[in-house]
Amino acid sequence: KQEVTQIPAALSVPEGENLVLNCSFTDSAIYNLQWFRQDPGKGLTSLLLIQSSQREQTSGRLNASLDKSSGRSTLYIAASQPGDSATYLCAAYSGAGSYQLTFGKGTKLSVIP
Amino acid sequence: NAGVMQNPRHLVRRRGQEARLRCSPMKGHSHVYWYRQLPEEGLKFMVYLQKENIIDESGMPKERFSAEFPKEGPSILRIQQVVRGDSAAYFCASSARASRGDGYTFGSGTRLTVV
Repeated sequence: KQEVTQIPAALSVPEGENLVLNCSFTDSAIYNLQWFRQDPGKGLTSLLLIQSSQREQTSGRLNASLDKSSGRSTLYIAASQPGDSATYLCAAYSGAGSYQLTFGKGTKLSVIP
Repeated sequence: NAGVMQNPRHLVRRRGQEARLRCSPMKGHSHVYWYRQLPEEGLKFMVYLQKENIIDESGMPKERFSAEFPKEGPSILRIQQVVRGDSAAYFCASSARASRGDGYTFGSGTRLTVV
């Protein structure tokens, strides 16, 4: 059974700092891994999706990496801004007939002006 | 082009009452997924439905919970005889085809509080 863990649970950084959010998963036989952003009272927004054959994906100031052998993914945010404050969720999709995303509990990021 | 619409946004029920949560998928989407987020927990898969069919309900509690996605109208998640432990945020997502981890659009969720 896939389990996803995110560390740290909360992170507070000053504006402009670069930061890394971590995600680990127990079953390396994943089909893809996805990072979401969740704002209070709102739904989830997909940020980046990395297929199992890929090592990383980039979108603007965001870069996500995937290392299946070690069961880890990281989300790198460059030059953080107060608008980046949100909860970031990591979700693994195992394929193999399953339709489920397995989510971590998230990292709550606060970027201080 | 509205996104995934969930209503109500907030729902308060007394213990023992029924809760009905509605999800209207994006236009053109015929696949619906329900997830539950308990306080301080990650989202947990509940059920995956296609029009008029339940495809995967492996995450649904065996009792009191049911889901449907009729030919016409929204998908409904129904919780009978609610208990305090049902208090959570319930999210619905839709996709145009059977998702392989991608193509999801999530709604803003329904926050259920059982008092």
